[in-house]
Amino acid sequence: QKEVEQDPGPLSVPEGAIVSLNCTYSNSAFQYFMWYRQYSRKGPELLMYTYSSGNKEDGRFTAQVDKSSKYISLFIRDSQPSDSATYLCAMSAAGGTSYGKLTFGQGTILTVHP
Amino acid sequence: EAQVTQNPRYLITVTGKKLTVTCSQNMNHEYMSWYRQDPGLGLRQIYYSMNVEVTDKGDVPEGYKVSRKEKRNFPLILESPSPNQTSLYFCASSRDREAGELFFGEGSRLTVL
Repeated sequence: QKEVEQDPGPLSVPEGAIVSLNCTYSNSAFQYFMWYRQYSRKGPELLMYTYSSGNKEDGRFTAQVDKSSKYISLFIRDSQPSDSATYLCAMSAAGGTSYGKLTFGQGTILTVHP
Repeated sequence: EAQVTQNPRYLITVTGKKLTVTCSQNMNHEYMSWYRQDPGLGLRQIYYSMNVEVTDKGDVPEGYKVSRKEKRNFPLILESPSPNQTSLYFCASSRDREAGELFFGEGSRLTVL
């Protein structure tokens, strides 16, 4: 079993839809949770960064972390064609040999059509 | 402009022919790492470096070597490439190893025949 599982994939939605992207994980040591966005033929770029449980909002994007369920989500409101990309969740633990190491999900390809 | 630069962006080679993928960052970052990205497997860390002359293995180091002689450069070396090393490779850097914000290069697509 992978340490981080990401679903669904791929996803196609109409412009203006609310998108929900999710990841589950098995390592209870993970404390830092991130979402990266990767456009075609580009490297990933950091979209959202949260520590421990809770919500974080940035414009149309909201990241949620539920450590008790080992589940994280990214919501995109009023989705736009420019949001079409691959979204990768990533996590890291604090301290020890895992210090600073990111573990990534497989990625979800999102297409927002006009 | 702050960036991570990788070269080459595309490369087709044959089994056993040594190659080096260069990586350079201009942000004075201490932490650098290499990832490979394969369909269905996501990004997997190959090697990382916490500072000059300090390198360590990631999750999939077999068949790769790295060096960190200068802070800005972190080349990835494939001494004897094999077809299972056909992949998309990313170099990344961050301010320190605790920071989750990795800055990625644009990727190097390698095909080993």
